[in-house]
Amino acid sequence: RKEVEQDPGPFNVPEGATVAFNCTYSNSASQSFFWYRQDCRKEPKLLMSVYSSGNEDGRFTAQLNRASQYISLLIRDSKLSDSATYLCVVPERNTGRRALTFGSGTRLQVQP
Amino acid sequence: DGGITQSPKYLFRKEGQNVTLSCEQNLNHDAMYWYRQDPGQGLRLIYYSQIVNDFQKGDIAEGYSVSREKKESFPLTVTSAQKNPTAFYLCASSQTRTALNTEAFFGQGTRLTVV
Repeated sequence: RKEVEQDPGPFNVPEGATVAFNCTYSNSASQSFFWYRQDCRKEPKLLMSVYSSGNEDGRFTAQLNRASQYISLLIRDSKLSDSATYLCVVPERNTGRRALTFGSGTRLQVQP
Repeated sequence: DGGITQSPKYLFRKEGQNVTLSCEQNLNHDAMYWYRQDPGQGLRLIYYSQIVNDFQKGDIAEGYSVSREKKESFPLTVTSAQKNPTAFYLCASSQTRTALNTEAFFGQGTRLTVV
C-alpha cells in the first residue's frame, strides 16, 4: 500500500456544486495532515492544516478519520477559480526519516 | 519579505552536463527539501535536510547531490548520471517541531529541460 493515496480524478463539476476528495494514509502514527492546492505549472500552496478531527475555512472543510486512516476535503459552492490539483500531505513519523510525503493529487475542474 | 527563492526559473542543460539549482530561504526554517515533479504526476522526494551540515536521501536521490553549508541555502546539483532530468524541481522549507511537523513553503520552482 502506498503511504499516501488519492484518486487522481479528474473531478468535473458544475459551478455551485459540492465536491469531496479523500486521501488515505498508511502510517497510523501520523498526527498532522495538510491539503495543498497546485495550479498548473505553479508551486503547491497550503490550503488547510488538519491537526485533530477537522478544520473549516469558509467553503472548505477538512475532516480526519483516524480509525479508517483517511482525510477528506469538502468544497462547497464550487467556483471556477477552484479548478486546480489538490495534494494531500502526510508528515512521516516513526519511519526513521522526517520528511513530507505527498499524494499524487486529485484534479478538479469546475465548469461554467 | 520572507520567503523561499529558487533560481533560475527555467534552465536548459546539454546532455552530459552538471547543473546546479539554487534554493534560498529567509524564513529561518530548519528543514529544507527538494522534490521532483513530472507532468501529471505527484511530488517525489529527492533529498532533505533537517539541520545545517546534514542531509538525507529521499526516494529518488540517484543522479543528484546536495549540500547544506548554511541554514538559508540548499542547492541541488543534477549530475550527468541522472538519465532523465527533464522535470519541474521544487524546493521547500519548514520549521520542524518536536511533536508535529509544520507545513512546508515552496519556492516557485525550476523547470529543467535537457536539450
